[in-house]
Amino acid sequence: DAGVIQSPRHEVTEMGQEVTLRCKPISGHNSLFWYRQTMMRGLELLIYFNNNVPIDDSGMPEDRFSAKMPNASFSTLKIQPSEPRDSAVYFCASSQLPRTCIHFGNGTRLTVT
Amino acid sequence: GQNIDQPTEMTATEGAIVQINCTYQTSGFNGLFWYQQHAGEAPTFLSYNVLDGLEEKGRFSSFLSRSKGYSYLLLKELQMKDSASYLCAVRDDSGGGADGLTFGKGTHLIIQP
Repeated sequence: DAGVIQSPRHEVTEMGQEVTLRCKPISGHNSLFWYRQTMMRGLELLIYFNNNVPIDDSGMPEDRFSAKMPNASFSTLKIQPSEPRDSAVYFCASSQLPRTCIHFGNGTRLTVT
Repeated sequence: GQNIDQPTEMTATEGAIVQINCTYQTSGFNGLFWYQQHAGEAPTFLSYNVLDGLEEKGRFSSFLSRSKGYSYLLLKELQMKDSASYLCAVRDDSGGGADGLTFGKGTHLIIQP
């Protein structure tokens, strides 16, 4: 079975540019999560969707970040404009309710110079 | 909100046993998870506890005491491949059906020959 698929695996961009990260959850999973991981702060939940509807976006750091889930098999996380402090590994994860474990994709390593 | 504490780093010897502790404070506890993360890879699910007691799965066991806000992950017969970060995560139900996990910063386990 295919796991959670994220693209790109690596992204290097200059400050001020728009960055779009993509995620395809595991088929049949109805919850999708975006996490960010840094050495200083660990894994932080940014936003999660249930049945394509955003449920909690309190972890989104600021208005430069936005996330969409237009259908059950695709989600995007966009940063516009990007800043060097956004450099991190961004993980997408999915799960199937009720309340099972979440499965992570391989992550996108973002470097903003 | 939630607060999850675990040691930053631990060292153990190949073939030995190691216990990684995790304490948490949460207003609506609904399950504790342990994940393993090798450097540069995604976190992978190890164990889940929602009731008090010990859950055993091969060389790995996880214990939970809800009254004490305490869990541990026990790794037996350590192998070099067990060198990784181990993440404790809590699911909080106080937000009304919230499904996102809150993670501790992880314990970096070093296995020595």
